[in-house]
Amino acid sequence: DQQVKQNSPSLSVQEGRISILNCDYTNSMFDYFLWYKKYPAEGPTFLISISSIKDKNEDGRFTVFLNKSAKHLSLHIVPSQPGDSAVYFCAARSLSGSARQLTFGSGTQLTVLP
Amino acid sequence: NAGVTQTPKFRILKIGQSMTLQCAQDMNHNYMYWYRQDPGMGLKLIYYSVGAGITDKGEVPNGYNVSRSTTEDFPLRLELAAPSQTSVYFCASGDQPQHFGDGTRLSIL
Repeated sequence: DQQVKQNSPSLSVQEGRISILNCDYTNSMFDYFLWYKKYPAEGPTFLISISSIKDKNEDGRFTVFLNKSAKHLSLHIVPSQPGDSAVYFCAARSLSGSARQLTFGSGTQLTVLP
Repeated sequence: NAGVTQTPKFRILKIGQSMTLQCAQDMNHNYMYWYRQDPGMGLKLIYYSVGAGITDKGEVPNGYNVSRSTTEDFPLRLELAAPSQTSVYFCASGDQPQHFGDGTRLSIL
């Protein structure tokens, strides 16, 4: 039972255009959401996060939107750059349980074409 | 600028062998985690620790053991390696956000 789903395994975008990566979740107890970026042979690196009390968070070229009623979040990258090519993981933290356990989606491979 | 350091980076084991994956962090974080990532899948939590001397099971703990004798180190032990444990293992530390090491790629043949 996948509680965090990234239904698009891959996405290709032209340099300079907007990249939109999507994530759906089923657990209403999730209170905090994160996006991680992963390059080959490296560990995931934190990109941006959002609390469930907000619907938008911006950091430079990256914006995360949260729609709680739809249990959906998205990551917008504007403008996209070739260096953004990586696997992007959506992750969610549960209110219940201990130690800030994160549940990860399966990832979306973003390719930004020059 | 070390952050989270994992060793080894690669390892091949035979079925039934045992090994320890090492993880060390220099950020004085109380929280530490072990994840595994299988091809095409997200990361799944194996074990975690909220501080020295305290560990608990995550989503997929079977076949693994951990210990946390110091704040810095959180080794993961495989006692009887099985082909199903072929995966990439990531250690992480911290909270909101978690900081990850570069992983250990483990193959069981």
